[in-house]
Amino acid sequence: DAGITQSPRHKVTETGTPVTLRCHQTENHRYMYWYRQDPGHGLRLIHYSYGVKDTDKGEVSDGYSVSRSKTEDFLLTLESATSSQTSVYFCAISVVQDRYGYTFGSGTRLTVV
Amino acid sequence: ILNVEQSPQSLHVQEGDSTNFTCSFPSSNFYALHWYRWETAKSPEALFVMTLNGDEKKKGRISATLNTKEGYSYLYIKGSQPEDSATYLCAHNGGSQGNLIFGKGTKLSVKP
Repeated sequence: DAGITQSPRHKVTETGTPVTLRCHQTENHRYMYWYRQDPGHGLRLIHYSYGVKDTDKGEVSDGYSVSRSKTEDFLLTLESATSSQTSVYFCAISVVQDRYGYTFGSGTRLTVV
Repeated sequence: ILNVEQSPQSLHVQEGDSTNFTCSFPSSNFYALHWYRWETAKSPEALFVMTLNGDEKKKGRISATLNTKEGYSYLYIKGSQPEDSATYLCAHNGGSQGNLIFGKGTKLSVKP
């Protein structure tokens, strides 16, 4: 999607290794979010940010950490990857909450073997 | 975590049929209700954001209504086309910082 990119698009990693996913935006939006999407579940919020160095936990934050040192970048780290973290991860951004909706990235498919 | 329920889970219609889906959400602490369209192998795209009871929004053949007092929203598609085939997500913002709680979606398939 224009203005928001996720990297990598696909990754296979081994159990126990740390993994970092990157979300980069060029829209200068204040709010950034990390969601995971799994079969049988809706999009579930992992962590979110409401400004540089301002982050908070979502509903499924265990095993994940985030950092936002610049407006444009929001990093999601799996500290020690587990098979239950195999998922598709989506980053989203928004400028003004509850007016224009979120803009989502293309997703990162992560497989933990 | 407050649940957002969508029904039906899936729907198969013929081209030209009109259809509608339901999203139910907790009516307390309401801030906004979002609808997204999610095509296979793509990202969710925002359709509507509604904030006031009685809101009605329209985009082409797609429209949505909102009842915050009873906690539901309807999405309508008039004269479905094959390109309308997608999963339609609703999401509720009922708390601080605008965190959306998503439903599991309604998957629509439109046969030519």
